[in-house]
Amino acid sequence: EAGVAQSPRYKIIEKRQSVAFWCNPISGHATLYWYQQILGQGPKLLIQFQNNGVVDDSQLPKDRFSAERLKGVDSTLKIQPAKLEDSAVYLCASSLDGRQGMRAPLHFGNGTRLTVT
Amino acid sequence: ELKVEQNPLFLSMQEGKNYTIYCNYSTTSDRLYWYRQDPGKSLESLFVLLSNGAVKQEGRLMASLDTKARLSTLHITAAVHDLSATYFCAVDLRGYQFYFGTGTSLTVIP
Repeated sequence: EAGVAQSPRYKIIEKRQSVAFWCNPISGHATLYWYQQILGQGPKLLIQFQNNGVVDDSQLPKDRFSAERLKGVDSTLKIQPAKLEDSAVYLCASSLDGRQGMRAPLHFGNGTRLTVT
Repeated sequence: ELKVEQNPLFLSMQEGKNYTIYCNYSTTSDRLYWYRQDPGKSLESLFVLLSNGAVKQEGRLMASLDTKARLSTLHITAAVHDLSATYFCAVDLRGYQFYFGTGTSLTVIP
């Protein structure tokens, strides 16, 4: 099966600019996650979707970050305006089903490496 | 807030040696996952542990889960260079929320 697709692979922007990342999950996976991984740290959950609804966005800096999942498939994560501390790898992951009782592991994309200068 | 801690953070070991990586978490959960990440690459699922006492083995790696102690271990037997990577544990809270540990960077020296 095809894996989680993300683009772009790399992005360099100046602070205060905007940037958007795209993710296409594995076909049939209802749950989609966006994680931020700062160099040397573990991934930190930003937002989780179940189909096209938001399950958890408690750690998403909503003053500058936004995300949507149109039609319950593809997702876009946007940062506007970017800050230096947003430099990180943004990982998209999907799983079969995020409901209680389902225990499928996450499948990760290759990530987008963002550098803010 | 759930805290997931791993130790050691950095591990340098010689080929052929054994070692254990520890993952402690702060909230009750009976579901834990181990992932591997190679430099510049994404995370790859290694093990899924779904109950107290669960043990999974794949090649030179063996993972176990003690939910009462809130502890998981990843044991490396007779390390080889190909095992060099960063290893993350992730605790599954409420059946759908994954919280990752700090990671253990493993370097196997010939």
